[in-house]
Amino acid sequence: EPEVTQTPSHQVTQMGQEVILRCVPISNHLYFYWYRQILGQKVEFLVSFYNNEISEKSEIFDDQFSVERPDGSNFTLKIRSTKLEDSAMYFCASSFQRPNTGELFFGEGSRLTVL
Amino acid sequence: GESVGLHLPTLSVQEGDNSIINCAYSNSASDYFIWYKQESGKGPQFIIDIRSNMDKRQGQRVTVLLNKTVKHLSLQIAATQPGDSAVYFCAEIAAGGTSYGKLTFGQGTILTVHP
Repeated sequence: EPEVTQTPSHQVTQMGQEVILRCVPISNHLYFYWYRQILGQKVEFLVSFYNNEISEKSEIFDDQFSVERPDGSNFTLKIRSTKLEDSAMYFCASSFQRPNTGELFFGEGSRLTVL
Repeated sequence: GESVGLHLPTLSVQEGDNSIINCAYSNSASDYFIWYKQESGKGPQFIIDIRSNMDKRQGQRVTVLLNKTVKHLSLQIAATQPGDSAVYFCAEIAAGGTSYGKLTFGQGTILTVHP
């Protein structure tokens, strides 16, 4: 069964460092998303991406964050200068249809620990 | 602001019992509701969805009920099994077809099934 894959599974970084989280969405999907989950809290929307541009972003997704689809398969989330409060599980998701017409498929997440 | 929340943070049941997980939402404009299951160390997994023009939808061993009058959503799991143990999240997405992925998740209910 096709699945969303994410790397790395866990990354530890120093505050102020740049981090890139990588995702390979399901191959025929058109919509891509990043969500995050701080430990013990609910899953929060960060950004959605369609047709090579950001469709929607949350207030969390400030200038320190960026997303890219550098080729036909990868979808990346970059945090330019990490802060302690960026420590969380980051989930990539994809869908074939718009989210209010079909389900999102989530990856298993990348845990980011900022020291 | 608008939010989706859960009445009960934890639920313990015996194997074979039926489980009911509840969710309250506050955005009356919400059009589409989804239940996700999240097992330890994994990403959210789609269980079942329902649109605002319905009040009940059944899947395999699961039923979602929507009461728009009181803005309440529930997930019923029949003959609960130990493999059902997980955190269950409800999520909603705004109506109007303009949203591109901003699912709003509830806090989550921890379901523990005892053999």
